[in-house]
Amino acid sequence: AQSVSQHNHHVILSEAASLELGCNYSYGGTVNLFWYVQYPGQHLQLLLKYFSGDPLVKGIKGFEAEFIKSKFSFNLRKPSVQWSDTAEYFCAVNENTGRRALTFGSGTRLQVQP
Amino acid sequence: DAGVIQSPRHEVTEMGQEVTLRCKPISGHDYLFWYRQTMMRGLELLIYFNNNVPIDDSGMPEDRFSAKMPNASFSTLKIQPSEPRDSAVYFCASSKTRSNQPQHFGDGTRLSIL
Repeated sequence: AQSVSQHNHHVILSEAASLELGCNYSYGGTVNLFWYVQYPGQHLQLLLKYFSGDPLVKGIKGFEAEFIKSKFSFNLRKPSVQWSDTAEYFCAVNENTGRRALTFGSGTRLQVQP
Repeated sequence: DAGVIQSPRHEVTEMGQEVTLRCKPISGHDYLFWYRQTMMRGLELLIYFNNNVPIDDSGMPEDRFSAKMPNASFSTLKIQPSEPRDSAVYFCASSKTRSNQPQHFGDGTRLSIL
């Protein structure tokens, strides 16, 4: 069975600081990887996704993520965070074939202080 | 374009009552997912459908929970009888056929069982 680990549960940063959120998954086959963001009281929105090709993917709002297959990792980065990035971030994975449901990590709560 | 539409947005009811949550997926999406979000367990899959057929219901907690998808544009999640531990935010999501297509989430139903 798949599992997704997000080791940072709560991150506090000042505006303009750089961000990196860790995500590791366990699955031996080919996977699709996603990062979702959930602003307070809202639904999940897709930030970016990876399914093949260039392992460095760019998403919305200046976010990017790098897939490192050998490390089973898909870390999320942003060079300079803004107060409006305060939200919860979820890494998710599904199998490239077969089961379509997403397996989510436990989430990382990001708090950006002005 | 209309996104995934869920109703009601909030539901407060007493223990033992029947609860019905509703979801309208995005037109043209043939996968529909029900997730539950709690502080303790995070985001977990309950059930998902493909072309209105349930594919995986292994996440459904127990017989008190049931889900149906009578047609491509409507799904229900029913809890009968409801219990306080069912209190959570229930999200519906839909996606297109290919596994690398992201899931689009509704605004969720915040359910409180007193």
